[in-house]
Amino acid sequence: NAGVTQTPKFQVLKTGQSMTLQCAQDMNHEYMSWYRQDPGMGLRLIHYSVGAGITDQGEVPNGYNVSRSTTEDFPLRLLSAAPSQTSVYFCASSYRTGNNAYTFGSGTRLTVV
Amino acid sequence: SQKIEQNSEALNIQEGKTATLTCNYTNYSPAYLQWYRQDPGRGPVFLLLIRENEKEKRKERLKVTFDTTLKQSLFHITASQPADSATYLCALARSLKAAGNKLTFGGGTRVLVKP
Repeated sequence: NAGVTQTPKFQVLKTGQSMTLQCAQDMNHEYMSWYRQDPGMGLRLIHYSVGAGITDQGEVPNGYNVSRSTTEDFPLRLLSAAPSQTSVYFCASSYRTGNNAYTFGSGTRLTVV
Repeated sequence: SQKIEQNSEALNIQEGKTATLTCNYTNYSPAYLQWYRQDPGRGPVFLLLIRENEKEKRKERLKVTFDTTLKQSLFHITASQPADSATYLCALARSLKAAGNKLTFGGGTRVLVKP
């Protein structure tokens, strides 16, 4: 019963580099989302998806891309990393209706230098 | 603009007492509200969900109230234990069925239960 798996757990990037944060869930959840968590700012929604092939922007989408080719996977791409993207990133999933409790991954701590 | 406010100051409480946390919101008409627990270095974990037409929800030592007139939810931990020490987040969503199931989170309140 893995739940939501995020990789890597830690990453250091240089400014301008690109990378992909991986997120996979095995609960057959339709809804998946990416949040970033910064001190004093709480969790802010970056992108979300209501099902395979469907994605949309959240509150802070600039500098990030997503795709959803399967129900299980929802990778987050940083196109050209900036120090302002230093944060802890969480992936979450839930059923689309009914019990809407989110299941979160354990997070990726990203530092951009 | 929409705002969800939780007390940013840590709540220090003696073991055995009841901890009460507040979540206030403005410019928002949520269909339901959720509470999560987050331990350092971990992702949030779901605790309770309360719908707009419910006044109160309980789960073991936890109790949540939801007052849509005051635009406020209270989260109570009764008979608190040191193991309850964590940050507690409230989150609101507009609809149970609308596409997106987007949750907007408050900044969280840290609780420290002293033995």
